[in-house]
Amino acid sequence: GIQVEQSPPDLILQEGANSTLRCNFSDSVNNLQWFHQNPWGQLINLFYIPSGTKQNGRLSATTVATERYSLLYISSSQTTDSGVYFCAVVAGGTSYGKLTFGQGTILTVHP
Amino acid sequence: EAGVTQFPSHSVIEKGQTVTLRCDPISGHDNLYWYRRVMGKEIKFLLHFVKESKQDESGMPNNRFLAERTGGTYSTLKVQPAELEDSGVYFCASSQESRWGLNTEAFFGQGTRLTVV
Repeated sequence: GIQVEQSPPDLILQEGANSTLRCNFSDSVNNLQWFHQNPWGQLINLFYIPSGTKQNGRLSATTVATERYSLLYISSSQTTDSGVYFCAVVAGGTSYGKLTFGQGTILTVHP
Repeated sequence: EAGVTQFPSHSVIEKGQTVTLRCDPISGHDNLYWYRRVMGKEIKFLLHFVKESKQDESGMPNNRFLAERTGGTYSTLKVQPAELEDSGVYFCASSQESRWGLNTEAFFGQGTRLTVV
């Protein structure tokens, strides 16, 4: 099956810093989503981005499907950005939305 | 509009007991998925319903797990009898009907943290 790798596994920042999280996948995809797992364990949708670039406030994401990677940019980080960031994909040729997750990037933002 | 809702949020049971988890998807979402994360590993797919029909249950670990989706609305996931390795967080997700072969965005519940002691 498709493999999803996220990097870095851990990231520690000072408030105000910028960061880039990466998601590599091993095959073509029909769907790609980025999630933020908050301290209460809930998975919050950040982006639904099988290709192209999207922005939402301080966050933006780019997926280059032909090169099999996606990037999540966080600018001017805040302590509330702390948590685990997951990338998840639906393998190409799959007619429904079974997601395969990466192992996550643990982000800690210090004040 | 209410999001995906899961009950209970936490459950602690003894090995050998039975536990039933419930998921209420977003209204109108035909697709319902169960996932779980055990021991800090990746979140893994368990099964997928389209309305009341199971489309894919390839991720179910063994026959101690039984999922149902009555009338295509809410879903339950029963673990009977529970074992220690079943501990983890069980997530439910839902999405709209796929259109023109394209998958639609999935939305997740807050998860149920299951601890088997």
